[in-house]
Amino acid sequence: NAGVTQTPKFQVLKTGQSMTLQCAQDMNHEYMSWYRQDPGMGLRLIHYSVGAGITDQGEVPNGYNVSRSTTEDFPLRLLSAAPSQTSVYFCASSYRVRSSEQYFGPGTRLTVT
Amino acid sequence: RKEVEQDPGPFNVPEGATVAFNCTYSNSASQSFFWYRQDCRKEPKLLMSVYSSGNEDGRFTAQLNRASQYISLLIRDSKLSDSATYLCVVNGAGNNRKLIWGLGTSLAVNP
Repeated sequence: NAGVTQTPKFQVLKTGQSMTLQCAQDMNHEYMSWYRQDPGMGLRLIHYSVGAGITDQGEVPNGYNVSRSTTEDFPLRLLSAAPSQTSVYFCASSYRVRSSEQYFGPGTRLTVT
Repeated sequence: RKEVEQDPGPFNVPEGATVAFNCTYSNSASQSFFWYRQDCRKEPKLLMSVYSSGNEDGRFTAQLNRASQYISLLIRDSKLSDSATYLCVVNGAGNNRKLIWGLGTSLAVNP
C-alpha cells in the first residue's frame, strides 16, 4: 500500500493564481482531511470529508474548496492564492470519522509570492 | 487558556537520558489523548495513544492525569533517533469530537 500520497511536494504560486493540491489514499478510509501547518500555529483543519460526496468546513476554510467524488481522492483547491496561504499542507485519512490514528501524506510546501 | 498547551522546548538531553514532557488540556470532558511524533519537515505519525490506566511501549510511557488535566510522555534511554517534535493531541468531547493539536515539544538528543 502507498498509504496517503500528495502532489506536488513543492509549489510556488503568484498572488491570484489558482491551483489544486492532490491527495489520494489506498486504505479505503472513509474520513479524509486537509490541514495547514504554520510556525507557532500548529496544525489547523481546513476541510474534511466523512465519505464520498460529503465535505464540511474546518477551522480555516476561507480561500479553499474541496470535493470528494471518490473514496480515494480528496483534492484541495486554492481559488485565488494569497501570501497568507504560504504554508505546509498535509492531507490525512483515517478509518473512522475523527479516529485516533490519522495517516498523513508527506505534505506540500506552498509559497505564494 | 489554550485548549491544548505544551512546553515548546527545546529539550536538549544526552543519549541515554530520561526525559519527560507534559501536555495540559482545558476541556475536562475530553475523551481521548494521543502523542504524535513529527520529524523535521516530515508528516506527523502516531506514537501512542494514552489510556486512563497509562500505557507503555518499549522505552516510551504515557500517562493521563484527569484530575489535573494533563498527559505526559516519558522517554527512557534516549536515542539520537528520538530527536523530533512531539505533538500532543486531544479528541474533543461530546458531539464535537474534533482533534485538537498542541504546538509540539522539540526534543534534541545529543551524542
